Amino acid sequence: AQRVTQPEKLLSVFKGAPVELKCNYSYSGSPELFWYVQYSRQRLQLLLRHISRESIKGFTADLNKGETSFHLKKPFAQEEDSAMYYCARVHTGANSKLTFGKGITLSVRP
Amino acid sequence: GAGVSQSPRYKVAKRGQDVALRCDPISGHVSLFWYQQALGQGPEFLTYFQNEAQLDKSGLPSDRFFAERPEGSVSTLKIQRTQQEDSAVYLCASSLGQGLTTGELFFGEGSRLTVL
Repeated sequence: AQRVTQPEKLLSVFKGAPVELKCNYSYSGSPELFWYVQYSRQRLQLLLRHISRESIKGFTADLNKGETSFHLKKPFAQEEDSAMYYCARVHTGANSKLTFGKGITLSVRP
Repeated sequence: GAGVSQSPRYKVAKRGQDVALRCDPISGHVSLFWYQQALGQGPEFLTYFQNEAQLDKSGLPSDRFFAERPEGSVSTLKIQRTQQEDSAVYLCASSLGQGLTTGELFFGEGSRLTVL
């Protein structure tokens, strides 16, 4: 099965602290990976995708094929980063299907 | 509207009732997806439409679930003889291109179904 694993359910940090949200995927070729975010009372939206290698709102994520990981990082967390974060991958062999992890709640305290 | 619109936002059904959930995608978006999100879980794929064609329905959990998009825009997800395990948030998403070519899905706010 092609899985996305987010091992932690909750991460709570103080404002200004570094953040790393973990994501591991089951190996299958060259996956396309994404991070989606859901802020309180808002809809799920794309944060970033590995293929574009961009930084969005100070977040970056690097694909590590050796460790089959795609961890999301930010050096200095802000209160407005508090949200639910989901890692997702395109299902190899079915490019109409995104497989999501279970998500992690990030809480940034003042 | 500018975004994906879903209705109803909340639906309570008695076990055994049929329900219909509606999705209005962003105008001009070719692809439309339905996902099911149970409490504490990530969204799980149900089905995918490219225009009016249902190209992938591998995620539909049983033959009680049926989806259609007859004119390539609005879509309806129908659940017959609802069961308690159907309780979840049903998310609709659309994208401009075919499949996940751009990788970005635009999600609706979801329809929360509670089956008593």
